[in-house]
Amino acid sequence: DTGVSQDPRHKITKRGQNVTFRCDPISEHNRLYWYRQTLGQGPEFLTYFQNEAQLEKSRLLSDRFSAERPKGSFSTLEIQRTEQGDSAMYLCASVNSLRNEQYFGPGTRLTVT
Amino acid sequence: AQKVTQAQTEISVVEKEDVTLDCVYETRDTTYYLFWYKQPPSGELVFLIRRNSFDEQNEISGRYSWNFQKSTSSFNFTITASQVVDSAVYFCALSEARDYKLSFGAGTTVTVRA
Repeated sequence: DTGVSQDPRHKITKRGQNVTFRCDPISEHNRLYWYRQTLGQGPEFLTYFQNEAQLEKSRLLSDRFSAERPKGSFSTLEIQRTEQGDSAMYLCASVNSLRNEQYFGPGTRLTVT
Repeated sequence: AQKVTQAQTEISVVEKEDVTLDCVYETRDTTYYLFWYKQPPSGELVFLIRRNSFDEQNEISGRYSWNFQKSTSSFNFTITASQVVDSAVYFCALSEARDYKLSFGAGTTVTVRA
């Protein structure tokens, strides 16, 4: 257990529905990253926060995706109008920026039918 | 732009054999970090090691060892006397100092047969 939790662990949804995932990082870590991993591939960067500020978004993050980190604690990733191509594992990483130690949560596996 | 290449897609060995996983990286930064993660069938990414670009010392942790060579931009990982529990996908990753976001290789699937 890395101390990073994600909820839910699995989500099955129908195309066109909205979904929201949550990540609770290690409390003293000031940075939080979201990645997406499709089958047979390595994780790909989506976005990251330093405290509550969203500092970068990948081109992979279409306008259907939005992420927040209110008060610099937990983070949410919302996907609107889901498409089958959104099916993937969504991973959250909690980072201590002083040491660049990166710990991943268990992930949320999204299946869009 | 940074890039990580893991040329080996799959490796299959018999228990107690040694396994070496290759990782080659590209970056323009002089300060960067290299990582190895293990992803067992359960799916969680398990942190194994982090190395910064100024520390080329090889490291050994139990049956695991890492060989970092800046001259060849490689950060290879060896499992000595492999065990069935080592079966997993192993990822090499690179992050640059300015943002710490990770660029992963495609992963190497290691299967250890009893």
